[in-house]
Order: sequence, then structure tokens, then C-alpha cells
Amino acid sequence: AQSVTQPDIHITVSEGASLELRCNYSYGATPYLFWYVQSPGQGLQLLLKYFSGDTLVQGIKGFEAEFKRSQSSFNLRKPSVHWSDAAEYFCAVDFTGGGNKLTFGTGTQLKVEL
Amino acid sequence: DADVTQTPRNRITKTGKRIMLECSQTKGHDRMYWYRQDPGLGLRLIYYSFDVKDINKGEISDGYSVSRQAQAKFSLSLESAIPNQTALYFCATSDRLASLNEQFFGPGTRLTVL
Repeated sequence: AQSVTQPDIHITVSEGASLELRCNYSYGATPYLFWYVQSPGQGLQLLLKYFSGDTLVQGIKGFEAEFKRSQSSFNLRKPSVHWSDAAEYFCAVDFTGGGNKLTFGTGTQLKVEL
Repeated sequence: DADVTQTPRNRITKTGKRIMLECSQTKGHDRMYWYRQDPGLGLRLIYYSFDVKDINKGEISDGYSVSRQAQAKFSLSLESAIPNQTALYFCATSDRLASLNEQFFGPGTRLTVL
């Protein structure tokens, strides 16, 4: 079955430190890949997305993600975390080749220590 | 995203009651979705609709029904609510003509079934 794995349920980083959130998916071909952020009491906001082209994708709020086909991974990174980045982050995958059906990972809760 | 609204934002009800959650969008998108979010499980797709005459079951449709009253409106009903339907419910929209078919989320409805 197609699945999306976010192995880290909780991550705590200090403000100013770098961040990497992991996402792996089970699929042979390259799917459509997304990262969303959910701030407390808010809906989901798209950070970035990837289907083809340059495997390093830039998003909003200083985030980037790198697609690695050999590892079936799409990890999210930020060089320097701000306290306002504390939120829950979801990796989502469209396995239907643009058919618009997203499968979400279970999320990673990010805490930022001042 | 203010372009996707959900009513009510919070609802407490009792087991066996019929509940309707409503979603409206002003984005002009043709595709709409209903998800539920449970802690540790991420978001799971309940139903989706690619146009007014198209309704499809998602991963967890049992106990739910939907109605697409117009392109801009997509309602989710719980015919007889049960406690394990307590969750955060999100509506989302997307445009089939847009690149990578990003989904835009409403602010969510928190439903508690006692």
C-alpha cells in the first residue's frame, strides 16, 4: 500500500539552529510531493511542492526541501529556525500523478526553545 | 485561508445526533475535499468531489455522507454521530487547471461527540 512516513513525532530545536524534518514515501515512480504547516488553531498552509525539475525546492518562510529519488525521501530543511516556526508539519504525497488525492504523513510537531 | 470557510468552527453534540458541517469557497475551484485529523494519524480523506455531479469516497467514508450543492459548497454529514467521530475536520479545494494541483485548506471544524 502507498504510504507516507514521518518518523519523528516531536522535534525540539533551539532558536537559530538548523532544522531537518524527514519524510519518506513508498512508491516506484516520482509522485507529487508537498509540505504543509499547521500553526495552532489554524488550517494547513502550503510551504512548498515538487513534481519535477531541480530536486532542491525553495518554499515560503525560508524553508526548502530536497527530493532524493534513490531514498524515496523529501526532507524539509531550514538553516535557522525562528520561534514562530513552532507548529506541526505535514508531508503529503499525491500518488495519483496529479489526480489530486493527497496521502498525508502523521505529522511532526516542532517545538522551538528560546 | 479566508477563501475557504467552514461552519461551525466548533461543535459539541451527543451520540446519535445528525450533524452537518459546511464548507464554502470563493476561489472558483472545481475540486473540494473533506478530511479528518486525529492526533498521531495525520489527515485522512473522507470524501472528495471533482465537480458538482461527481462524488467519491475517500479512505474513511463509513458513517459519513456529503452533498455538493454548488461548485462553491460542499457539506459533510454525520447521520448518527458516535464518539469516535470526535476529530478536527478540514475542507480543502483545488483547481484542476493549476500546476501541481495544490490544495487550499479551510480553518477546520472541531467536532466533539459525547
